[in-house]
This record gives sequence, C-alpha cells and structure tokens, in this order.
Amino acid sequence: AQKITQTQPGMFVQEKEAVTLDCTYDTSDPSYGLFWYKQPSSGEMIFLIYQGSYDQQNATEGRYSLNFQKARKSANLVISASQLGDSAMYFCAMANTGGFKTIFGAGTRLFVKA
Amino acid sequence: DADVTQTPRNRITKTGKRIMLECSQTKGHDRMYWYRQDPGLGLRLIYYSFDVKDINKGEISDGYSVSRQAQAKFSLSLESAIPNQTALYFCATSDPSLGAATGELFFGEGSRLTVL
Repeated sequence: AQKITQTQPGMFVQEKEAVTLDCTYDTSDPSYGLFWYKQPSSGEMIFLIYQGSYDQQNATEGRYSLNFQKARKSANLVISASQLGDSAMYFCAMANTGGFKTIFGAGTRLFVKA
Repeated sequence: DADVTQTPRNRITKTGKRIMLECSQTKGHDRMYWYRQDPGLGLRLIYYSFDVKDINKGEISDGYSVSRQAQAKFSLSLESAIPNQTALYFCATSDPSLGAATGELFFGEGSRLTVL
C-alpha cells in the first residue's frame, strides 16, 4: 500500500535561516510523483514543488528545493532564507502512475520566528 | 475569479440533514476530486472522476455521494450528515499532461462544514 509519512508535527525556524521538512514515502509503483503543498492560515492549498521518480536532479523552485533520495524513499523539502510568510502547514504528497489518487501526509506546521 | 470554485465556503448544519457541496472549474480539466482534511490526518480522498461518465470511490467514500454534472461541475453530497463529517472539504482538478507521470492538483478554496 502507498503511504506518506511526515514525522514532524511542528517545526520552528528563525527568520532568514534554512529549514528542512521531512517526508518519507512507500510505494511499489516504479513511476510516481512527489509534491509539496503549502496551506497558510487562510486555508487554501498552494502547490510548491514537484519531483518525478525518474528525475535525476533534485527539483528547485525559487527558495524551495526538494531533496530526493530515492533509495531511502525520502523527499524532504528545504526552504532557504525563511520568511515570516512561510509560516504555514506543509503537506507532502505522492501521486501514482497516471497522476490520480494522490495521497497526502499528515502535514508539518512551520513557525517562522522574527 | 478562482479557477476552481467551491460553494458554500462555510456551512453549519444539524445531524441528519442533507448537504451538498458544489465545485465548478474553468481550467478545462477532465479529472476532478473531492478531499477531506482533518487535523493530524492530512487530506484523504473521498471520490474522484476522470470524466462525466467515470466516477470512482476513494479511501473514505462511506456516507458520501457525488455527481459529475458536466466536465466543469462535480458535487459532493452528504445524504444524512453526522458530526464526524465535520471537516474542511476540498475540490481539486488535475491535468496529467502537465507532468511526466503525474498531475499537480489545483485546489478550490475549501468548504468548511460543521455538523452539530
């Protein structure tokens, strides 16, 4: 069965510092995609970054990068130079081949301190 | 205007009442989904639809039904609401052609439902 695990219910980071949010996954499907979404206190879901299982390089989008370690089945999100606006819930997600039935982790709430 | 629109955004109802949450999208995507978010559980898939003739159960479909009225419209119904259906509900769409193997989800703003 497919599963996404986020072991950090809450994280604190000082403004301007980098932070890593952990995500491990389990799947027997050779082709899959990994996603990170941000949910601010306003409630909407915002797509941050995508990594395909066959991608050789780690994905990057501005201050976001995905540390993809396929053998370890981990897909950690790294946020560089944290900003107060980064305070939010972050969800790791995985979609199987064909892109349907995306499953989500329980989420990590990030608090950025001034 | 949002590409994926959910109505109502907030609803308080009583146990046993029938509730419908509506979703419409202007993205032209064939795939639509309903998810439920509970604290500590992330988002869980209720139903998904690949086109107007194709509807599939997700992992937590009991107590829910859906209707795909058109490519752009996908409604979620709670026939007889109960308190443990209190949650934040999201509609989403996807276009698998965007990614090599998968599709990013495009979410509505969410519908917060409280069942008393």
